Amino acid sequence: EVQLVQSGAEVKKPGESLRISCKGSGYSFTSYWISWVRQMPGKGLEWMGKIDPSDSETNYSPSLQGHITISVDKSINTAYLQWNSLKASDAAMYYCARSIRGTMWVGLDVWGQGTTVNVSS
Amino acid sequence: DIVMTQSPLFLPVTPGESASISCRSSQSLLQSNRYSYLDWYLQKPGHSPQLLIYLGSIRASGVPDRFSASGSGTDFTLKISRVEADDVGVYYCMQGVQTALLTFGGGTKLEIK
Repeated sequence: EVQLVQSGAEVKKPGESLRISCKGSGYSFTSYWISWVRQMPGKGLEWMGKIDPSDSETNYSPSLQGHITISVDKSINTAYLQWNSLKASDAAMYYCARSIRGTMWVGLDVWGQGTTVNVSS
Repeated sequence: DIVMTQSPLFLPVTPGESASISCRSSQSLLQSNRYSYLDWYLQKPGHSPQLLIYLGSIRASGVPDRFSASGSGTDFTLKISRVEADDVGVYYCMQGVQTALLTFGGGTKLEIK
C-alpha cells in the first residue's frame, strides 16, 4: 500500500526549534516530489514548498523562504520540515503530499495524515 | 504567482441535486500537450485532502463518476451530480503549472441543506 506517514503532534514554545517528518512507503521514494502544505486553524490550504528526494533540490513559497527548511533522507524514505525558531503563527496542521517528478503534472495524489503543531508560551 | 480564485465560498445543496464550483486562474494553465494543469481536491471534515481530479478533467482512482470537471485555459468547473451526505467538505482547486510555486484556490465549503 502506498502511504505517507507523518510524525506525531507537537507542542512547542515560541523560539524553539522543531523538525517533523514524513515517511513514504510502498513506492519508489525518489520518483516523486514531496510537498509540504500548511493549514492554519479554520483556514484553507497553503503550499509551503517541496523537495526532490532524488537530488534534494528544494523550492519554497516566497512568504516562507528563510523561515523553514525542507530536507530529505532518501536512505530511510523520509522527508522533513524544520523550523529553527518557531513563532506563535506557525501553529497549524501540516500535511505532506507526493507528486510525480517531471513535466507531466498529475496532482498531489497521496497525502499524509497530517501533523498538528501547537506553539504557545 | 498564479492566483486561483474559487466561487462560491459556501454551497448549500439538497441531497440528490447537482452542485457546481467555479475556479479561475490568473494565467492560462493550458500546456502544449493540450492538458490544463488544474486539480480538484476534497477535504472532508477531520481528514487530509484527497485528489479528485487532475489534468483538468481526469478523475483520480476510486473517485465516483458523479464527480466531473471541465474547462481549459483559465476557467474551470467541478460538477457533483446527485449530491450525497458523504460529499460534504471543502473543495479546492490547485494549479500545477508552476511546480516551483504551487497555489490553491481559497476553497468552497459544500454543506447539505
